[in-house]
Amino acid sequence: QSVLTQPPSVSGAPGQRVTISCTGSSSNIGAGYDVHWYQQLPGTAPKLLIYGINNRPSGVPDRFSGSKSGTSASLAITGLQADDEADYYCQSYDSSLSPVVFGGGTKLTVL
Amino acid sequence: QVQLVQSGAEVKKPGASVKVSCKASGHILTGYYVHWVRQAPGQGLEWMGRINPNSGGTISEQKFQGRVTMTRDTSISTAYMELSRLRSDDTAVYYCARGSYSSGCDYWGQGTLVTVSS
Repeated sequence: QSVLTQPPSVSGAPGQRVTISCTGSSSNIGAGYDVHWYQQLPGTAPKLLIYGINNRPSGVPDRFSGSKSGTSASLAITGLQADDEADYYCQSYDSSLSPVVFGGGTKLTVL
Repeated sequence: QVQLVQSGAEVKKPGASVKVSCKASGHILTGYYVHWVRQAPGQGLEWMGRINPNSGGTISEQKFQGRVTMTRDTSISTAYMELSRLRSDDTAVYYCARGSYSSGCDYWGQGTLVTVSS
């Protein structure tokens, strides 16, 4: 059971927009800690996708964006492409549990 | 460019220990935390702990306390994670990652598969 809750799966057709939620609590996201997102393609190491809620590392397309409200955060992907098919993880920090917490991951399927 | 290169796959028997290395190049090891994250087959990411290469100070997830030891050798820009009293459910890919609170884990090692089997 992960501290941050994500839907196990989401799907969308090419060109569509999808969002992935990440629900926490007052001791992590709600406490004002940063939220980061990672993309993991099959058989590879995770890759930083969004940091500090809505900042993209160099090379990450602006089709990817993040947001946060209260105790939740979201990752939005617009103009869905076949190679976006991957697992996505949110990560934050927690004042009462493990200092670093991950969501359980969401598998994105491009239909 | 920044790279983290981990040691190779390991096969261990239950009760043994494993030590995984993570060598940094292209940046100063002491500038960032080094996190250790593992991923069991078909499962999600699980944070194990982190080391401050500057001070050597460590924090680990409660479930690993007493079994995990994180160290570093700044002279060769290498961090280490040793897990003892291995069980079959420790079978996983172990990753090191460079990280900070504000920028997340921006560089990851390629992963080290540790298989625990009798």
